[in-house]
Amino acid sequence: QAVLTQPGSVSASPGASARLTCTLRSDINVGSYRIYWYRQKPGSRPHFVLKYNLDSEIERGPGVPGRFAASKDASANAGILLISGLQSEDEADYYCMIWQYSAVVFGGGTKLTVL
Amino acid sequence: EVQLEEYGGGLVQPGRSLRLSCAASGFTPVDYAMHWVRQAPGKGLEWVSSISWNGGSIEYADSVKGRFTVSRDNAKNSLSLQMNSLTREDTALYFCVRGNSRTWYHVLDFWGRGTLVTVSS
Repeated sequence: QAVLTQPGSVSASPGASARLTCTLRSDINVGSYRIYWYRQKPGSRPHFVLKYNLDSEIERGPGVPGRFAASKDASANAGILLISGLQSEDEADYYCMIWQYSAVVFGGGTKLTVL
Repeated sequence: EVQLEEYGGGLVQPGRSLRLSCAASGFTPVDYAMHWVRQAPGKGLEWVSSISWNGGSIEYADSVKGRFTVSRDNAKNSLSLQMNSLTREDTALYFCVRGNSRTWYHVLDFWGRGTLVTVSS
C-alpha cells in the first residue's frame, strides 16, 4: 500500500471549489505529519503551493493566493487541499508530500480539471 | 534570482553510468539542503536523494540505494548525482531541488527545469 494516496483526477467548474485529498497509509497518523502541496502544470517544473503545519498554520508559497487553503480529516487520516473560486489557471497536477523519517514521500498526484 | 540548472542527461544503455550536475546561483548554497527528484514520462514525482548543507547527512530512496551517489561542492555552487548500473526504470526527468533549510523536514522551495535521462539499448 502506498504511503500517500491521491485520487487520480478531480473536476470542478470555474468559480466553484475543489477538494483534493491525500490519504496516509493506515499505520501512520496524519496528525503527526506536516503536509506539503505542490502544483505542476504540463511541461513545467513543480512549484510549492503550501504547507499545513502541525498547529494547523498554513504557509503559502510566493504568490499563492488565499483561496488556496488546507486542512486535515483525522477520521479519514487525510490531508486536504482546498481551492476556492477556481480559475482556469488552477488546472494542473497537484502532489502532496510528507517527510517520513529522513526521506521525502510524494503522493501519486491528482489531475485537477477546471471545466 | 534563484536559478538551478541541471545538465548531463542523455541516452545511456542499461548497465552503464551517467553523472548529472546542477549549477546553482542566486543564493548561498551553504544555507540549504539539496535534493534530486525524478519524474518518469507521464508519471508522478519520485524522490531520489537528499544531501544536507555540508554533505554530512545523505539519504537515498530504496530504488537507487547502492547505485546512485549524491555529492555537492559548495565552493563551486554545484550538486551532482552519480548514477551507476542504470536500468530502464531510471528513465525520467531529473530535477535538482532546493530545500529551505540546512537539513531535513522543510519545504522543497525551488525546482530546476530538469534534465532527461533515457536508459535504452
